[in-house]
Amino acid sequence: GQQVMQIPQYQHVQEGEDFTTYCNSSTTLSNIQWYKQRPGGHPVFLIQLVKSGEVKKQKRLTFQFGEAKKNSSLHITATQTTDVGTYFCAGTSGTYKYIFGTGTRLKVLA
Amino acid sequence: DVKVTQSSRYLVKRTGEKVFLECVQDMDHENMFWYRQDPGLGLRLIYFSYDVKMKEKGDIPEGYSVSREKKERFSLILESASTNQTSMYLCASSRGDGQTQYFGPGTRLLVL
Repeated sequence: GQQVMQIPQYQHVQEGEDFTTYCNSSTTLSNIQWYKQRPGGHPVFLIQLVKSGEVKKQKRLTFQFGEAKKNSSLHITATQTTDVGTYFCAGTSGTYKYIFGTGTRLKVLA
Repeated sequence: DVKVTQSSRYLVKRTGEKVFLECVQDMDHENMFWYRQDPGLGLRLIYFSYDVKMKEKGDIPEGYSVSREKKERFSLILESASTNQTSMYLCASSRGDGQTQYFGPGTRLLVL
């Protein structure tokens, strides 16, 4: 069945350093979503990517969707303590069903 | 603002008990989901509903059932709770296929 792998599982960075998490699907996706879950909280939608090669920015966050629509990345520039949390990608092949990656837990050291 | 609420934040049950987890959304969303979240495994889909009284199995439906009698409410039922069902349970809703999923606060269930 469809699988979505996400790496790394954990990342500790010093405040001000950059951070990237990668998502790889075993099958071609129709779109991919990214969510953030703060410690003790629930996943909150960040963005959706639909087009091949699409790049979207939200302030210090840059999201990319691969040309083959099988991978995606989230890059945070100059991390802040407010970026702490777990970042999940979720991909779909066009149905209601999203397959979530295992998440990357980000810790930012002040 | 979409609001998804879950009946309990924390729940402690004994092995063999029947457990009901309730989820309510206030945005007239068609789709509702139940996931469980476990460390290192991410979110796994248990069941999905795309309309009242309609349901589809997700990736891990064994040991669970669901009920959707009204559009806004989606219930997850553990017929006979077992210790391996100790987990965080997250409900979500979306307007339609491929749309943003809005999550509830989650229910942390401990089965003793």
